[in-house]
Formats: sequence, C-alpha cells, structure tokens
Amino acid sequence: GAGVSQSPSNKVTEKGKDVELRCDPISGHTALYWYRQSLGQGLEFLIYFQGNSAPDKSGLPSDRFSAERTGGSVSTLTIQRTQQEDSAVYLCASSSLVFNQPQHFGDGTRLSIL
Amino acid sequence: GIQVEQSPPDLILQEGANSTLRCNFSDSVNNLQWFHQNPWGQLINLFYIPSGTKQNGRLSATTVATERYSLLYISSSQTTDSGVYFCAVANQAGTALIFGKGTTLSVSS
Repeated sequence: GAGVSQSPSNKVTEKGKDVELRCDPISGHTALYWYRQSLGQGLEFLIYFQGNSAPDKSGLPSDRFSAERTGGSVSTLTIQRTQQEDSAVYLCASSSLVFNQPQHFGDGTRLSIL
Repeated sequence: GIQVEQSPPDLILQEGANSTLRCNFSDSVNNLQWFHQNPWGQLINLFYIPSGTKQNGRLSATTVATERYSLLYISSSQTTDSGVYFCAVANQAGTALIFGKGTTLSVSS
C-alpha cells in the first residue's frame, strides 16, 4: 500500500484479556518497528524487525509482550493478560533500510484497557 | 543511551508569526527526523535531516551535527500548524528512534 497500515484503529478490552495488533508496512520496506505512546512516558521504542528476525527487542516492557513478523511483511504485536498500564497508542513504522533511512509511521492503534 | 531534549515545551503563536523549535542531542547521530503530530494523533514526517539544511514550503530545518543540535523553523504560521512537534534521533545501533518530549504548538487566528 501507499503507507503503513495498522489495525484495528481502536481497541477496547477488559483487563486480563489478550490482544493482537497488526501492522502492514510499506511495500518493500525490510525494517519494521513498534513504538508505544502513553501519557506519562512519551514515545517509546518496543521492538525492531529486519526481515522476519527481531535483533532488538530491548523495549518490550515485560514477557507479556511479544511480536512476530511473517513473510518479511505483516507484523503482529501481542499483549497477553492485559493490564491497565498497557493502555496507550501503539505505533508501527517501517523503513527501507536499517541505517540512514527515514522511518514512516502508521496512524496507530489506540488501546484502552478497562 | 542518547538523550534528546526539545525546547520550548509549549509555544503559543498568533497566525502569521514565525517560530524556532530546538532539539539538542547528547551524542553523534546518523539519523535525525522531525515529525508533526496533528490533533488526530497522526505522526507526519517533516524532515529527515542528520546534517545540513532543508526547506519545504514554510518549514525549514537545520542540523549542526558537530554541535549536536537541530532547529525547525516555521514561518507565517497557520492554525493547521498546531500540534506537537517531535525530534527523534537513531540510537547507536540504528535500530530505534529516540524521541524528545516534543514541543506543543498552538496557533490562534
């Protein structure tokens, strides 16, 4: 597609449930990134993919968070046993190369945990 | 890790005014981007500018990498310029962007 596509745009769920967030990067972009934007913490890096592998997972806040990427394209971020502090906007970005290339962001998924 | 500081945190302007936003960073960088987050939450790429000067319409940006700062200039501001402006730099491994806390700009008519 023309840009990074994320779904759903909004998700409301109950505490303790699992959620899956999807990201479809710009066609041909090999690098994919997940970030989180919350009121108290600003914009934070979560995980980076190069192709289907994730050489940098240093931003994942706990083992309840996981992500995968298949076919070098679509990525899914999964949050298990959601907590209220997981409420945030989850943003996905992609870029054509790791170094010296701009990242392009999707519109995000706004996640609310009741 | 790299620290990114933006100033001012808040800016209120009348339509037509000019402004300068500043981004300081603590280490050398290979990637620096300026974004505008509009009231709908969308992050819009403004500039990819690890060094030098670029211009796009009423906006321009300059990065002085040796002195570890970047400036974003907005001329003849319009109400649609309102929102949050973020500066972000890549970490040393090039695997993540580190964001500043942003400058919130309000332009009134």
